[in-house]
Amino acid sequence: EIVMTQSPATLSVSPGERATLSCRASQTVSSNLAWYQQKPGQAPRLLIYGASTRATGIPARFSGSGSGTEFTLTISSLQSEDFAVYYCQQYNNWPFTFGPGTKVDIK
Amino acid sequence: EVQLVESGGGLVQPGGSLRLSCAASGFTFSSYAMYWVRQAPGKGLESVSVISNNGGITYYANSVKGRFTISRDNSKNTLHLQMGSLRAEDMAVYYCARAHVLSRGIYFGMDVWGQGTTVTVSS
Repeated sequence: EIVMTQSPATLSVSPGERATLSCRASQTVSSNLAWYQQKPGQAPRLLIYGASTRATGIPARFSGSGSGTEFTLTISSLQSEDFAVYYCQQYNNWPFTFGPGTKVDIK
Repeated sequence: EVQLVESGGGLVQPGGSLRLSCAASGFTFSSYAMYWVRQAPGKGLESVSVISNNGGITYYANSVKGRFTISRDNSKNTLHLQMGSLRAEDMAVYYCARAHVLSRGIYFGMDVWGQGTTVTVSS
């Protein structure tokens, strides 16, 4: 099973600032990597798939990069609605595994 | 509107069974792989099971293999998860989700999620 790790566990950011979230896979997942946003009491929302392709309706301030084992999600200018938990997920091998999440909160 | 609605959650005793359902609407259900993902209280996300668009491919997490069965009825646009020999560690919100690509394969992200149904395992 591929183990996904994320850093940092918590990121405190002021509105308007840039946020950079990291995700690492224990073995290569090629570009089969997705990012999700989850707010309390809600289902996850797909942000990025294929490591760098924004899902339908996702604002351009969200961008993804990386391949192999190292990935990054960047939120260029945080808006109030972006404070949430972010998960990366590999779908290269079953079982698809998620990282433990990065909580982005207000500084 | 593309939508997934789960049902069937509830309180069950350890060792008991439960059948979850997920009703799909607003898209061609038979063209997409479908997934069950769960989230224990205060915890992260865990992929439980996947089924290909025609039901020919099914996989399970090791934690549920032999106890859970995924199935689908494409004529009724419905996904199911039959859960047996339930344990305390199965307690979670269970989400159904759709593959982000219309395909026969299963190796995709998940672009449409239901609101979740809660399974509580307790005596």
